[in-house]
Amino acid sequence: AQSVSQHNHHVILSEAASLELGCNYSYGGTVNLFWYVQYPGQHLQLLLKYFSGDPLVKGIKGFEAEFIKSKFSFNLRKPSVQWSDTAEYFCAVTSMDSSYKLIFGSGTRLLVRP
Amino acid sequence: SAVISQKPSRDICQRGTSLTIQCQVDSQVTMMFWYRQQPGQSLTLIATANQGSEATYESGFVIDKFPISRPNLTFSTLTVSNMSPEDSSIYLCSVLGNEQFFGPGTRLTVL
Repeated sequence: AQSVSQHNHHVILSEAASLELGCNYSYGGTVNLFWYVQYPGQHLQLLLKYFSGDPLVKGIKGFEAEFIKSKFSFNLRKPSVQWSDTAEYFCAVTSMDSSYKLIFGSGTRLLVRP
Repeated sequence: SAVISQKPSRDICQRGTSLTIQCQVDSQVTMMFWYRQQPGQSLTLIATANQGSEATYESGFVIDKFPISRPNLTFSTLTVSNMSPEDSSIYLCSVLGNEQFFGPGTRLTVL
C-alpha cells in the first residue's frame, strides 16, 4: 500500500532559523504532492502543491518544496522561519488509484520560539 | 475557495452509542470526503460521499460502522455507530474544488 513518511514528528526552532521538513512517499508512479498546514485552532489549509513541471515549487508565506523523483521525496523548506509559522505540517500524495484521494503523512509539529 | 462548517465541533460520548456529524459547504460541490485523524496519527480517508448514491468506502471502513448521507451538493453527514474508545478521533469533512478544502473537524472522545 502507498505510504507517506514524515521523519520529524516535532521540530523546535528559533526565529530566523532555516527549516527543512522531510517527506518521502512509497509509490514510484505518477503522483501529485502536497504540503498542508494547520495553524493552532484553524482548518487544515494547502501550503503548496506539485503536479508537474518545475520540481521546485513555491507556496504561500515563503515556503517552497522540491520534488526529487529519484529519492521519492518532497521536502518542505523555508529559509527563515517566524513565530507565526508555529503549526502542524502534513505532507500528502494522491492515491495511485485516484487523483483526488489523498494519503497523508503523520505530520510534523513545528514550534518556533521568538 | 470553499467554506466548510462541521457540527458538533467536539463531543464526549459513551461507548455503544452513535454520533452523527454534519458537514455544510457554502457552495455546491461534486466531491465530498470524510477523513479520520486518530491521536498521533495521520489523516485517513474513510469514504467519498456521493450525492444520490451510496458512499464509496476505503479499505478497513464499512457502511454499518460509518453510515454516510449526502442528500444534496452542499451537505453530508457521517455517523459513527456503536462507538468504542478506539473511535476517539478527529473527523474531518473535505470537498474538492480547485484544491481540496477541509472543515474544522469534529473532536470525538468515547469513554
